[in-house]
Amino acid sequence: KNQVEQSPQSLIILEGKNCTLQCNYTVSPFSNLRWYKQDTGRGPVSLTIMTFSENTKSNGRYTATLDADTKQSSLHITASQLSDSASYICVVSITGFQKLVFGTGTRLLVSP
Amino acid sequence: EAGVTQFPSHSVIEKGQTVTLRCDPISGHDNLYWYRRVMGKEIKFLLHFVKESKQDESGMPNNRFLAERTGGTYSTLKVQPAELEDSGVYFCASSQGWNTDTQYFGPGTRLTVL
Repeated sequence: KNQVEQSPQSLIILEGKNCTLQCNYTVSPFSNLRWYKQDTGRGPVSLTIMTFSENTKSNGRYTATLDADTKQSSLHITASQLSDSASYICVVSITGFQKLVFGTGTRLLVSP
Repeated sequence: EAGVTQFPSHSVIEKGQTVTLRCDPISGHDNLYWYRRVMGKEIKFLLHFVKESKQDESGMPNNRFLAERTGGTYSTLKVQPAELEDSGVYFCASSQGWNTDTQYFGPGTRLTVL
């Protein structure tokens, strides 16, 4: 069964600190892995997209890593800001299809 | 450039009624997708249009759901008749190409069936 699992479910950190979110997937055949940020009441916004051959990709203070062998990904947020408070969703795409398989997300709260 | 827009933002209807959700993708995007998140669950794929054609509708829950994309522009998703379990947030997304192209999401329509 195609599944994406994320941990932790929720996280509280102090402003300025770093954090790392985890994603494990069992989607096959794998095409690419995406991280999205979703603010409350808004649609998801793409942060990074990585294919099988990419190990890391950055977007400002967000850095995603991918280990296709172990089927794991992480999203590292550096020097967190209050505006980083949101849900972060790991999403995997299946080869040959355009449907995306979503994780349940990690809810991050950055506290002042 | 305008993003993906959805209408209405909220809809409250009674069981058995009909509701039609609308999505306007980013201009020039051939690919349009519908997704749904029910309470406490992950977002799930419903279907994918390429222009006016349904490319993949494997995620549609049952035949009470009908999606159309006339002329390959905006899309509608009709639920008829609505059931309690249809409550959730319905997202629309669009992309220019496919595969590794970014899918841009709309703000969603929150549907509540009483």
